[in-house]
Amino acid sequence: EPEVTQTPSHQVTQMGQEVILRCVPISNHLYFYWYRQILGQKVEFLVSFYNNEISEKSEIFDDQFSVERPDGSNFTLKIRSTKLEDSAMYFCASRAGSRDRGNTEAFFGQGTRLTVV
Amino acid sequence: ILNVEQSPQSLHVQEGDSTNFTCSFPSSNFYALHWYRWETAKSPEALFVMTLNGDEKKKGRISATLNTKEGYSYLYIKGSQPEDSATYLCAFNSGYSTLTFGKGTMLLVSP
Repeated sequence: EPEVTQTPSHQVTQMGQEVILRCVPISNHLYFYWYRQILGQKVEFLVSFYNNEISEKSEIFDDQFSVERPDGSNFTLKIRSTKLEDSAMYFCASRAGSRDRGNTEAFFGQGTRLTVV
Repeated sequence: ILNVEQSPQSLHVQEGDSTNFTCSFPSSNFYALHWYRWETAKSPEALFVMTLNGDEKKKGRISATLNTKEGYSYLYIKGSQPEDSATYLCAFNSGYSTLTFGKGTMLLVSP
């Protein structure tokens, strides 16, 4: 069964360092997402990506964050200069379906636990 | 900021009990309501995607209903089993690509 894969499963980084979280969405899916969950809090939307560009982003997704789909299979989230409060579980998801239609389910990866020290 | 609320926050039931929990969401600009099941150390897994007012969907012992006019959805589990223990998330979609998630209801089923 196709699945979304994320690497690494756990990353520890020093404050101020850049990190890149990697995701391989399900092939033939059109929409790609990053969500995060800070321990004990709700799942928060970061960004959605469609047709090689950002379609929506939240207030969390500031200039320190960027996304890329460099080679048609990987979907990466980069944090340029990590802060302590960036420590969270980061989930990648992908969804099939036509543009801006929410009636197809999202498939999530297993997550990357980012710890900023 | 869209407000998606789930209640209760957590629930502890005995094996065999039936249970239900609630997701409330904005009644305007509704497009779809998703339910996901999230087991510890795994990724969220879709249960249902509901789009029509009055929709009722069922998967085994789990079912869900949808009321878009008043902005709520119920998830029911009949005859809970220990393997049903998980966090159940609902997510609201207003027609854009974003899914806005509630905080989830954490269910623990004791043998």
